[in-house]
Amino acid sequence: QKEVEQNSGPLSVPEGAIASLNCTYSDRGSQSFFWYRQYSGKSPELIMSIYSNGDKEDGRFTAQLNKASQYVSLLIRDSQPSDSATYLCAVKRQGGKLIFGQGTELSVKP
Amino acid sequence: GAVVSQHPSRVICKSGTSVKIECRSLDFQATTMFWYRQFPKQSLMLMATSNEGSKATYEQGVEKDKFLINHASLTLSTLTVTSAHPEDSSFYICSATGGAGSTDTQYFGPGTRLTVL
Repeated sequence: QKEVEQNSGPLSVPEGAIASLNCTYSDRGSQSFFWYRQYSGKSPELIMSIYSNGDKEDGRFTAQLNKASQYVSLLIRDSQPSDSATYLCAVKRQGGKLIFGQGTELSVKP
Repeated sequence: GAVVSQHPSRVICKSGTSVKIECRSLDFQATTMFWYRQFPKQSLMLMATSNEGSKATYEQGVEKDKFLINHASLTLSTLTVTSAHPEDSSFYICSATGGAGSTDTQYFGPGTRLTVL
């Protein structure tokens, strides 16, 4: 079992719809979780971090964390074609290391 | 704030030569820097963790004599790929922690695309 798992996609949604990205992790002791967006040929950029159970909202993005289920998700409301990218879920381990999932490719169709 | 730069952005070299990549934190002091490698259509793989003034900690399977890491100051870390071969061609990305607001967040540099002929 991979330490951080994501559906590789591609996930295709129409413009204006809600895109839902999911991630599960295996280390029950994990405390810090991150979502990064990566455009093709570019490095990752941080979208959100989440540390507590529940929802965290930032603009069109909402991160959800359920530690009991070892599950993290990212919702993108009113999806735009510019949101088309690969979304990486990352879990922080001891020593500050980030373990990344394989990423989910999102395509938003105009 | 929390800007990380890398230089060069692209490099092409001949097999057997060495290549140095610089990673700088521009507006904060980076207590820790990380080096990743990413092959096409794959996720980021951590290569090593470096703290200023101490030896880097390499991940399992990463050759420390091939990938030399120096973290001489709180704003600069370098990765030298020695005796590069075509299989070392990849996208190398550094990140740094220690920015204002959170020591927990890693801020990524723009990456260096290495092509070994």
